Amino acid sequence: AQSVTQLDSQVPVFEEAPVELRCNYSSSVSVYLFWYVQYPNQGLQLLLKYLSGSTLVKGINGFEAEFNKSQTSFHLRKPSVHISDTAEYFCAVSAVMDSNYQLIWGAGTKLIIKP
Amino acid sequence: DAGVTQSPTHLIKTRGQHVTLRCSPISGHKSVSWYQQVLGQGPQFIFQYYEKEERGRGNFPDRFSARQFPNYSSELNVNALLLGDSALYLCASSSMGAFEQYFGPGTRLTVT
Repeated sequence: AQSVTQLDSQVPVFEEAPVELRCNYSSSVSVYLFWYVQYPNQGLQLLLKYLSGSTLVKGINGFEAEFNKSQTSFHLRKPSVHISDTAEYFCAVSAVMDSNYQLIWGAGTKLIIKP
Repeated sequence: DAGVTQSPTHLIKTRGQHVTLRCSPISGHKSVSWYQQVLGQGPQFIFQYYEKEERGRGNFPDRFSARQFPNYSSELNVNALLLGDSALYLCASSSMGAFEQYFGPGTRLTVT
């Protein structure tokens, strides 16, 4: 079975500062990794995904994430945040062997942008 | 193209009642998944359907059931509602074999 841990429930950061949202996973099999964003009162939107290949993945809205297999991490980063990035961010995994691509989710990290 | 749509947007029910939530996938998508998101937590997988067949089930009681119709839309049914069923219910659609799931805005269910 897989599990996902998002180490910070909230991350406050000043506008235009860099940010890193941390995600660690546990799995006995190979996994696919995802970051989703949820704006207030909305559904979930895919930010980026790691399936294979380069461990540095670039997504929408200037976000990127790095897959580190030895540390079982998939941290999300952005070099300069904007007020519009205020949202909750979820890390999710899916077992490569799972043909249903069932997503296992972390508890989420709220990104709070301070003006 | 329209995205994933869900109805109703909000719903208030009393304990013991039954509820039906509806989802229409993106045109061309044949797979629909349902998730429950309790306030302050990440989503929890409930069901996945593909071509009207159940392909996956999460750890939810038998009070939860679902089905998929020939037009690939889907219903999630919950019987004998409990206070703990209060949550945002999310529907996601995808092309089978694709890794990206596209989510609807959700249905907010409140059980009193």
